[in-house]
Amino acid sequence: AQTVTQSQPEMSVQEAETVTLSCTYDTSENNYYLFWYKQPPSRQMILVIRQEAYKQQNATENRFSVNFQKAAKSFSLKISDSQLGDTAMYFCAFTGNNAGNMLTFGGGTRLMVKP
Amino acid sequence: GAGVSQSPSNKVTEKGKDVELRCDPISGHTALYWYRQSLGQGLEFLIYFQGNSAPDKSGLPSDRFSAERTGGSVSTLTIQRTQQEDSAVYLCASSHAGGRNNEQFFGPGTRLTVL
Repeated sequence: AQTVTQSQPEMSVQEAETVTLSCTYDTSENNYYLFWYKQPPSRQMILVIRQEAYKQQNATENRFSVNFQKAAKSFSLKISDSQLGDTAMYFCAFTGNNAGNMLTFGGGTRLMVKP
Repeated sequence: GAGVSQSPSNKVTEKGKDVELRCDPISGHTALYWYRQSLGQGLEFLIYFQGNSAPDKSGLPSDRFSAERTGGSVSTLTIQRTQQEDSAVYLCASSHAGGRNNEQFFGPGTRLTVL
């Protein structure tokens, strides 16, 4: 079974600064996908960024980028130029070779961006 | 187009009552997922539908929980004889084909409170 661990329950960052959220996972599979989802107070889960395990290049989406270390089973999210609207819960998630491709989530990190 | 919708947004019920939660996926999405998010925690997988069939019910926590999907569209999650530990946000997601690279789009969830 896969597990996903987010070791930082809460973090804060000043507006315009950079913050990194940590995620580690455990799996015996070689090919899988990793995701970061954002959940603002509205409860709507929004996909922030996605990484395919067989791709060595780290994914980037505008101000969001990941540091994917496959051997270390680490998948951190870096948010550059933090904005007040980035305040939310962030969840790291994994999907592997299960038939339905359901997601396994970490416990989440609550990020507060301060003005 | 319209996203995933869920109803009701909030549901308060008394212990022992039955509840039905509804999910309308994005039109054309064949895969549908139910997750549960307990207070301050990550999401746990409950059940997955491909079309109208549910190949994986492994996440359902007890036989009080059941779900169905009709016409390859709307899904209903039913909880019988609710208990206080059932209090949580129930999130529904859909994706185009259930493949690992197919993004899951989430609804806003139903917050269930069992008194």
